[in-house]
Amino acid sequence: AQRVTQPEKLLSVFKGAPVELKCNYSYSGSPELFWYVQYSRQRLQLLLRHISRESIKGFTADLNKGETSFHLKKPFAQEEDSAMYYCALRAPGGSYIPTFGRGTSLIVHP
Amino acid sequence: EADIYQTPRYLVIGTGKKITLECSQTMGHDKMYWYQQDPGMELHLIHYSYGVNSTEKGDLSSESTVSRIRTEHFPLTLESARPSHTSQYLCASSESRGTNEKLFFGSGTQLSVL
Repeated sequence: AQRVTQPEKLLSVFKGAPVELKCNYSYSGSPELFWYVQYSRQRLQLLLRHISRESIKGFTADLNKGETSFHLKKPFAQEEDSAMYYCALRAPGGSYIPTFGRGTSLIVHP
Repeated sequence: EADIYQTPRYLVIGTGKKITLECSQTMGHDKMYWYQQDPGMELHLIHYSYGVNSTEKGDLSSESTVSRIRTEHFPLTLESARPSHTSQYLCASSESRGTNEKLFFGSGTQLSVL
């Protein structure tokens, strides 16, 4: 069965510092991986997906199959990045239903 | 405007009551989902649907039921609410692309059972 692990419940940094939110997964095949974000008083929404290889709001994430990781990174954090971040996995060949991690709360201090 | 709507936004009820959480989407999506969200915990899948008259239970053991009589409507019903049902319930939908489908979430219903 697939599983997503986000080891940090809370990550606290100062504005301008680099940020890395960790995500590890367990799945034997080639997963589809996503990062979702929930800003205060807003809905959960897609931030980025690995297939797109894009940078959204300065965030990037690289799939490392050897380490089964999909960490989310940003070189210089901004206060508006403060939010809950959820890593999610879809497993091709199965039900295709997304599995989410427990989320990491990112707080960026001024 | 295409969107996904959940009502009510907040609900406080007594133990033993029957309740229905509403979810509707005007995005034309085939797939719909119910997740339970508790602070510091994973989003747990409760139910999902691939289309009309299709419903499946998720990973989380639940005493709730769902129906999918119309594409746009996916209500969740608790026959007899208990304090352990206190949680945030999120409804989501996605189009059937096959790969890398993006989920669209509603605003959620915060349920408190006294």
